[in-house]
Amino acid sequence: DAGITQSPRHKVTETGTPVTLRCHQTENHRYMYWYRQDPGHGLRLIHYSYGVKDTDKGEVSDGYSVSRSKTEDFLLTLESATSSQTSVYFCAVRDRDTGELFFGEGSRLTVL
Amino acid sequence: LAKTTQPISMDSYEGQEVNITCSHNNIATNDYITWYQQFPSQGPRFIIQGYKTKVTNEVASLFIPADRKSSTLSLPRVSLSDTAVYYCPTGGAGSYQLTFGKGTKLSVIP
Repeated sequence: DAGITQSPRHKVTETGTPVTLRCHQTENHRYMYWYRQDPGHGLRLIHYSYGVKDTDKGEVSDGYSVSRSKTEDFLLTLESATSSQTSVYFCAVRDRDTGELFFGEGSRLTVL
Repeated sequence: LAKTTQPISMDSYEGQEVNITCSHNNIATNDYITWYQQFPSQGPRFIIQGYKTKVTNEVASLFIPADRKSSTLSLPRVSLSDTAVYYCPTGGAGSYQLTFGKGTKLSVIP
């Protein structure tokens, strides 16, 4: 357990509404990641952060933005949710010494 | 980003040894090779990591040939609880982005 908490764990929303998912960590990891997981596509990287206010895009960043104003929090925002963004979203942190990723429990988002 | 290729699915009977091979396209010289396991409704978790030759821990063994263009995860005497999806993402200690792909779904049959 790397002290990762994702919220909310489940959310149902309507197309066009904004949604923010939060990832909170308690162990001062520098690197944080947001992935989405969909049947048939595996796990895909959306955005990642390498420090406060330092973020970069992953494979599937269109339609998503992120922010990291504090070391412990990494926010993923869908400005205007679409049905194609229905997915399970996983946050992860990277161990500085081993490179191992520790994942949160996931946030299931349904966009109607 | 570099890509990996692994079988989509595998079946095995309980008690057998299972070997899952992953090919690494353009793995970087300083990248480690890592494997993760994911159970339903959970996030992936780290199993094993290596750079070359063989690595063994309490869960699995990892075989890496000299050219590092592939790796084989070996699970000894699998049980039903080993049913999961196994990933060999590119990157690792030498990379700050891990690309997971679709993984290999292992089904262990009684």
